[in-house]
Amino acid sequence: NAGVTQTPKFRILKIGQSMTLQCTQDMNHNYMYWYRQDPGMGLKLIYYSVGAGITDKGEVPNGYNVSRSTTEDFPLRLELAAPSQTSVYFCASGSQETQYFGPGTRLLVL
Amino acid sequence: GEDVEQSLFLSVREGDSSVINCTYTDSSSTYLYWYKQEPGAGLQLLTYIFSNMDMKQDQRLTVLLNKKDKHLSLRIADTQTGDSAIYFCAESIRLTGGGNKLTFGTGTQLKVEL
Repeated sequence: NAGVTQTPKFRILKIGQSMTLQCTQDMNHNYMYWYRQDPGMGLKLIYYSVGAGITDKGEVPNGYNVSRSTTEDFPLRLELAAPSQTSVYFCASGSQETQYFGPGTRLLVL
Repeated sequence: GEDVEQSLFLSVREGDSSVINCTYTDSSSTYLYWYKQEPGAGLQLLTYIFSNMDMKQDQRLTVLLNKKDKHLSLRIADTQTGDSAIYFCAESIRLTGGGNKLTFGTGTQLKVEL
């Protein structure tokens, strides 16, 4: 069972470039989440989804977009990368009680 | 608002017990969690407790919850070098429309010495 998978593992972007961070889960969870972790900090919620076709903003949504066309996939889009988006991005999926995290994508914006 | 606080660092000798403490502010939290993060890795769910419980034991792990003081602790018995990691406490807040937002502390770095 793969659980939550994320690609890529690491990426360097130039300011103003765009990219999509991929997240897939194989546990048939309705709830999926995107968090970012800045150095020495806990995680902050960017966006979340309670099911296919339904997404909503978290605490820090500015500069990001998401979509949820299937139960399994929850991609995160950065349209105009800024240095403030340098971070580690974690995708999670879960039930009402628990959240299971992917291995993370490390993003550096220069 | 939600805020979760943890001490930054804990050092213990192998074989001793470790106790990691956490305080949270939101009394409406439904679940409280402990996650473990090893260097360069994602967060591994260790254990969680429902807010109407005061204790949960799972093998070497014991979680104590004092809801009145909003204090959560994680005790690791017989701590091993493989337990060296960062431990995050998190509280769960119900989101409108379903799902739960986790609010994390800044993490406690546990170092296990021989």
